[in-house]
Amino acid sequence: NAGVTQTPKFRILKIGQSMTLQCAQDMNHNYMYWYRQDPGMGLKLIYYSVGAGITDKGEVPNGYNVSRSTTEDFPLRLELAAPSQTSVYFCASSLSGINYNEQFFGPGTRLTVL
Amino acid sequence: KNEVEQSPQNLTAQEGEFITINCSYSVGISALHWLQQHPGGGIVSLFMLSSGKKKHGRLIATINIQEKHSSLHITASHPRDSAVYICAVLTNAGGTSYGKLTFGQGTILTVHP
Repeated sequence: NAGVTQTPKFRILKIGQSMTLQCAQDMNHNYMYWYRQDPGMGLKLIYYSVGAGITDKGEVPNGYNVSRSTTEDFPLRLELAAPSQTSVYFCASSLSGINYNEQFFGPGTRLTVL
Repeated sequence: KNEVEQSPQNLTAQEGEFITINCSYSVGISALHWLQQHPGGGIVSLFMLSSGKKKHGRLIATINIQEKHSSLHITASHPRDSAVYICAVLTNAGGTSYGKLTFGQGTILTVHP
């Protein structure tokens, strides 16, 4: 199993550009999450999904959109990139929600907006 | 005040030393996680615990629910233990099926040979 994969690993965007961060998992997990990690700060939840077709906002959703058309994929869309979105983005998945035992993380995408 | 506070923020040790990283939280939780973030950025889950103590190799995690405090211990530390250690607490997000994870800011551990 590949686990949780993310692409790209690195990206530089100009202000106002758009891009999609890809995330896929092959563990048949229902729950998937997008986090951002800023220097010296804890991870913050952007969006999450409890299953195909169901998504909801986390703590810091502004400027982002998500979709979940399949169990495996959970892409994160930035429509109009801003310097405040410079961060490292992690996708994660878990088998269930409240009672899960482990959350599996992808390798991260380092995004810089100039 | 953050809901999850870790101490120390930075920790330097010599190989072989006993390491303790602390995590205090201010909310009611259903579980607490310890995670390790490697220098390359990858994050792996070390422990999930809701009471008592868990041990895996040289790593020991304890939690005191009444005092809202957890500790991560590393015995006989080694340079390969150098990483960021992150505490995260799991709470029930307002009656939904989703359990919300709130993360501490991490403790940067450097172990010198």
